[in-house]
Order: sequence, then structure tokens, then C-alpha cells
Amino acid sequence: NAGVTQTPKFQVLKTGQSMTLQCAQDMNHNSMYWYRQDPGMGLRLIYYSASEGTTDKGEVPNGYNVSRLNKREFSLRLESAAPSQTSVYFCASRQGGEKLFFGSGTQLSVL
Amino acid sequence: GENVEQHPSTLSVQEGDSAVIKCTYSDSASNYFPWYKQELGKRPQLIIDIRSNVGEKKDQRIAVTLNKTAKHFSLHITETQPEDSAVYFCAASMSSGGYNKLIFGAGTRLAVHP
Repeated sequence: NAGVTQTPKFQVLKTGQSMTLQCAQDMNHNSMYWYRQDPGMGLRLIYYSASEGTTDKGEVPNGYNVSRLNKREFSLRLESAAPSQTSVYFCASRQGGEKLFFGSGTQLSVL
Repeated sequence: GENVEQHPSTLSVQEGDSAVIKCTYSDSASNYFPWYKQELGKRPQLIIDIRSNVGEKKDQRIAVTLNKTAKHFSLHITETQPEDSAVYFCAASMSSGGYNKLIFGAGTRLAVHP
């Protein structure tokens, strides 16, 4: 089991560019999440998907879109990147109310 | 709104001392409270969790207490060691539209000095 796999690990974008962060889990979990982590602000929820076919906004959804492609995959898209989106992004998954498993993170810099 | 407050933001202790981190949550319906440890450059890892039907849980040098009436929970680390140095996050489950999500505190940077 690989757990939660995120790609890429690092990315540098110019303001206005778009990109998609990919996430896949092999634990057959129903729920998947995208968080961003900024210094002093902890992990803030961007979007989540409680089950295949559903997505909901979290605490900081502006500037992002998500797609739950199937049960395994949950992608995060930045349509027009801004410097304020420079952050570390973590994908995570869980089954019901159980333990949350995190991916290894994507370090994104927007210049 | 939905939020979890965590204190202190930084904590410095001598090796062997105890460390306590406190969190409060806003949603009285929250029923799951995990604690995560994050070492530099790594992903957060679950170290202990507690559910609302339990007041205290221990795992070796780590314990968590929950006061549902006051809506706060705490992490206690005894006999701290340098390898306990990390950022610790508390979280609380929150329900929205029948679905469950985890909201995190801002984190506590713990430094254990030899």
C-alpha cells in the first residue's frame, strides 16, 4: 500500500499560470481532503469530498477548484495562480470518522 | 463559525519536563479529537486521538484529556525527549450537511532542550 500519493512534490509558477495538483489513495477511503499549510496558520481546509461524486467548500476555497475523478483520485486546480497561493498543500483521506492519512505534500511557489 | 483555537503557539521545555498544549473548539457536536505531530519537512502523523465518549486516553508518555462541557481538550507529554521537538496540531471533527470534516488548530512548535 502506497497510502496517499501526491504529485508534484515541488512546483514554481508565475502569477496567472494554471496547474493541477494530483492526489490518489489506495486505501478505498470514501473521504478525501485538500489542506494548505502556511506558517503560523496551521492546516486550513480548502475543499473536501465526502464520497465519490460530491465536493464541498472548506475554510479557504477561493481561487481553487477540485474534481473527484473517481473513488481513488481527488485533484486540486489553480486556474490563475496568485502569490497568496504560495503554500504547502497536503492531500488527505479517511474512512468515515476514522484517522486522517496525509500525503507527503506539494511545495508551491507563485512568483 | 467553525474553528479550533490552540495555545501556546510556541513552547520550550527542558528534557525530562512535561509539556501541555491546549485546544478549544466551537462546534458542540464535535465528537472526534485527534492530535498530529509534524516534523520539519514531513507530513503530519497521528499520535493520539480521543472520542467524545471518553474523558482521557493514554499511550505511554502521551495523554489526551477532553472536557466536553467546556469544549476543550489537551495534550500532555511527560518525560519529554529531544525527539519530541516538532509542531503539534490539534483538530476537531465538524459536521456539515451530514458530512464530517476535520478542522485544525494553528499548531504549537515544541522545542525540547537537552
